[in-house]
Parts: sequence; C-alpha cells; structure tokens
Amino acid sequence: QSALTQPASVSGSPGQSITISCTGTRSDVGNYDYVCWYQQHPGNAPKLLIFDVSHRPSGISHRFSGSKSGNTASLTISGLQAEDEADYYCCSYSSTSTWVFGGGTKLTVL
Amino acid sequence: QVQLQESGPGLVEPSGTLSLTCAVDGASVSGVNWWTWVRQPPGKGLEWIGEIHPSGRTNYNPSLESRVTLLVDESKNLFSLKLTSVTAADTAVYYCARGGGYRFDCWGQGSLVTVSS
Repeated sequence: QSALTQPASVSGSPGQSITISCTGTRSDVGNYDYVCWYQQHPGNAPKLLIFDVSHRPSGISHRFSGSKSGNTASLTISGLQAEDEADYYCCSYSSTSTWVFGGGTKLTVL
Repeated sequence: QVQLQESGPGLVEPSGTLSLTCAVDGASVSGVNWWTWVRQPPGKGLEWIGEIHPSGRTNYNPSLESRVTLLVDESKNLFSLKLTSVTAADTAVYYCARGGGYRFDCWGQGSLVTVSS
C-alpha cells in the first residue's frame, strides 16, 4: 500500500487560485469515487474539506472544490486567503478495503 | 455535536505496547459508523492505521496489521487501539476519527505518544 503522490508544496497570492494534485493507482483513486481532502493547520487535527471527490460538508466554503480524472484527483482553492495557508492531504479508499493518504502538500499564501 | 477524545500514556518503552482509547460524545459507537485511527509522526504526513465497526469487523493497514488490535466498548461508548512491539518509528500523534459514508468527518484533538526508554 503506497501513499498517494502529492506535490510537497504549492504557493499563490491572495485572490489567486491554486490546484493540488493527488495521484494514485487503478486500485484506489482510479477505481473509487471515495476521495477526500483534509486541511490541517499546525497543531490542529485534520479537517474534512471534500468527500466523494467533489462534495463539500456543510460549513465548508465554496472556494474549495474537488475533481478527478483517471488516477488523479485534484483540489482547487479559489480566491486564496491568508487563512488557507495550511497542509492539505488527500485520501482514497482502496480495493483492499483500506484507506491511503497522500504525503501532504504545504500551501503558502504569499 | 460529535466529539472524540483520545487518552492514554504519552510515553511507551521500546518493545512495549501502546494503548489508547477514544471516548465518543454525541454519538453511539454502536451505530452504523466505522471508528478509525490515524497517526502522524512529528513533521510528517498522515498514516491510516485501521478501522473497526461495532459488529466487530476490522480493516487494518497491511504494514501494521500484525501488531494492531482495535476494539469497541459499547458499555463505555469508546473504542481502543493497541499496538505491540513498538519502536521509535511509532512515535507520533495518534488521532481517532469517525468514519462512515466513506469519509472521516469528525476527529479527536490527537494524542502524542513517544516511544523511548
């Protein structure tokens, strides 16, 4: 079970949009629409941003959106704000009835 | 509002057993949800450990399966994690979370466990 592949870091200026990719395999991202995204600020627990590839829990801003194509899922954050600076993790259900996380992406708001 | 709270020793000796419990408030562990453990070594990413359903069904990370046991205690409304034969590599913040609907929607605050003599 290998971790999903995310870029180590991304950055953007306030108001801009950024996209974080999450690449898996046909056994996880490519085979299930059960991809989640989590936001984690330093010292805090992860917070669910997106589930089932593109669905937002209640209370999550419409600035956060998710998509998937083949074995790669993506998280897009539009209208970047300073408070968006955090670590972001993708997660996918896998064919072995397990879950696998991505390595995490550090977002810097310039 | 559902709240989860991890508790357990913050220090475990090498080769010993790490034991944590997760108390659930605002929901019943006897319901339809799966209950999950995730860990995060200092400065590193998240690692899924495993999950348990109140029916007793479990799923484990293959890399940890031989050392992990998850249990549910319906009488106390909590679930627990035991990890045996620990080494320094098991030093991490351990999170419990509620699963269900193919997402982890509610997390505990995390409990730092250090493996050291």
